[in-house]
Amino acid sequence: GAGVSQSPSNKVTEKGKDVELRCDPISGHTALYWYRQRLGQGLEFLIYFQGNSAPDKSGLPSDRFSAERTGESVSTLTIQRTQQEDSAVYLCASSLRLAAVSYEQYFGPGTRLTVT
Amino acid sequence: RKEVEQDPGPFNVPEGATVAFNCTYSNSASQSFFWYRQDCRKEPKLLMSVYSSGNEDGRFTAQLNRASQYISLLIRDSKLSDSATYLCVVEAAGNKLTFGGGTRVLVKP
Repeated sequence: GAGVSQSPSNKVTEKGKDVELRCDPISGHTALYWYRQRLGQGLEFLIYFQGNSAPDKSGLPSDRFSAERTGESVSTLTIQRTQQEDSAVYLCASSLRLAAVSYEQYFGPGTRLTVT
Repeated sequence: RKEVEQDPGPFNVPEGATVAFNCTYSNSASQSFFWYRQDCRKEPKLLMSVYSSGNEDGRFTAQLNRASQYISLLIRDSKLSDSATYLCVVEAAGNKLTFGGGTRVLVKP
């Protein structure tokens, strides 16, 4: 079946521009996660959605970052006034979730963002 | 202190040998633990969950030590295809997942 998809796969933007990254989770997965991974580093948690609510926004690096999700479907991560330090791979993952039980996260291929 | 810490490696392992490495976590309230594998320039994929009693999946064995707050991964009879970065993932209360920086393993002929 279809996995998690992300678009665009690559994005090059000029410093100061806004970008919007999209994630389509696996159908039926209620939980959706955004991570950032800088070159050669581990994953940095950004935000997580359960349905269309975001119980934990603590990972968003600044108020330039925002995310929303429509129902239990597509999510968008928006970065306003991009800075060079925003350059990274942005990974989206989805999982089934029941109460406090954690299920496997399925990752999308990521969006490679380069801010020039 | 980082919430989840891993030795970045690389661990250079001869093919067929055994390699083991740990991951320490700082939050004693952590509830769930996982090992993910990430190949170069690819997305992470779940390798195995880590249960309190320890668990094994083929050549891979994972263990949890709550008293000392670490989990471990052991790979027996290493294959060239085991070369990857192994990410430790810890879930605390509130369903917040924290990834370690990863341990790089290089299996050589």
